[in-house]
Order: sequence, then C-alpha cells, then structure tokens
Amino acid sequence: AQSVTQLGSHVSVSEGALVLLRCNYSSSVPPYLFWYVQYPNQGLQLLLKYTSAATLVKGINGFEAEFKKSETSFHLTKPSAHMSDAAEYFCAVSEIAAGNKLTFGGGTRVLVKP
Amino acid sequence: KAGVTQTPRYLIKTRGQQVTLSCSPISGHRSVSWYQQTPGQGLQFLFEYFSETQRNKGNFPGRFSGRQFSNSRSEMNVSTLELGDSALYLCASRLNSGNTGELFFGEGSRLTVL
Repeated sequence: AQSVTQLGSHVSVSEGALVLLRCNYSSSVPPYLFWYVQYPNQGLQLLLKYTSAATLVKGINGFEAEFKKSETSFHLTKPSAHMSDAAEYFCAVSEIAAGNKLTFGGGTRVLVKP
Repeated sequence: KAGVTQTPRYLIKTRGQQVTLSCSPISGHRSVSWYQQTPGQGLQFLFEYFSETQRNKGNFPGRFSGRQFSNSRSEMNVSTLELGDSALYLCASRLNSGNTGELFFGEGSRLTVL
C-alpha cells in the first residue's frame, strides 16, 4: 500500500533563505510523485511531478525536487524563499495498482519571515 | 479555459441532514475525483468517476456517495450528516482515469455541520 510521510508539519524560514520540505514515500512499485501547494481558502495547485523521467524535477515558482529511490524520498527545495511562498505544501504518491488515486502526506505549512 | 468549478463554496447544515455538492470539471476532462480535507485526517480520497462509472473508492461509509453525468459533471452526496463530516470537500479533474497526469483541483466546498 502506498503512503507518504512529510517530516515537520510547520517550517519557518527567513525571506531569501533555502526552503527544504521533506517527503518520504512507501510504495510497492515505482511510484509517481507530486508536490502540491495550497494557499488559504483555495484548492491545490501542482508544483511539480515525477513520472520516472529525470530524477531532478523542476517546477513552477522556482521549486524543484529530487527523486531518490534508495532513500524513498522526494524532497522539495527552493533556493531563496519569497513572502509569497507562505502556504501549505503537500507531497502525494500514486500507483497504477491503486487506480492512480493520490495519497497525500499530512502537509507542511511554511511561514516566511521578513 | 475555465478551471474546476465547485458549488456551493460554503454551506452550513445540521446533524441528520443531507447535502449535495456539485463539481464541473475542466472542459474535455472525463475523470472527476473527490477528496475530503480536515485538520485531523488531512486529505483523504473519497472516490473517482470516469464516464459515469465509479472507478475507485476510498474508505468512507456508505453515507458518502457520488455520481457523474454524461457531460462529466459530478455530484457527491452525504446523507445523515455527522459533526465529523465538517470539512473542505475538494473536487479534481483530469483527462482520463488511467493516466498519471496532473489533477486539477477546484477551490472546494466548505461544509460546516452543526
């Protein structure tokens, strides 16, 4: 069964500092992995996705993530935080065997300090 | 291109009542999924519909049901509402059920059960 663990429910970073959000997954087969962002009172927006192509995936708004099979990780990074990055971020996994439904991690809320 | 539209955005019900939520997917998208988001349980998969057929179902009681119409619009219904059903209900669409492409989310319907 697929599952996702996001380490840290809250992360505080200074504007201009590195953003690092951790995601580990459990899957019986090579999974598809996603990062979504949710701003207050809004739905989820896709930041990036890994679907077995390049292991380093670049997304929108300067975010990128690296798939590491040996560590079963898919951590999200951004070199320099901006105030507009304050939001909640969700890592998700899907498997064909599970009907391609998304299983989400618990989310990490990012606070950006000026 | 219009995004995923959910109605109503906010609603308040009392225990024992029933509620119907509506979702219009992006034009051309044939798959519609529903997710429940709560502070305690996070994002949980409810079900997915494709071509008017339920293709996948999460672990929710039978009080939660859905359907999809020939124009791909979808509705979900919750009967005999309980306090714990208070949540943000998110609808998401994609082109087809079997692909691993991006899920496009609506802004959600926020249900409060009193």
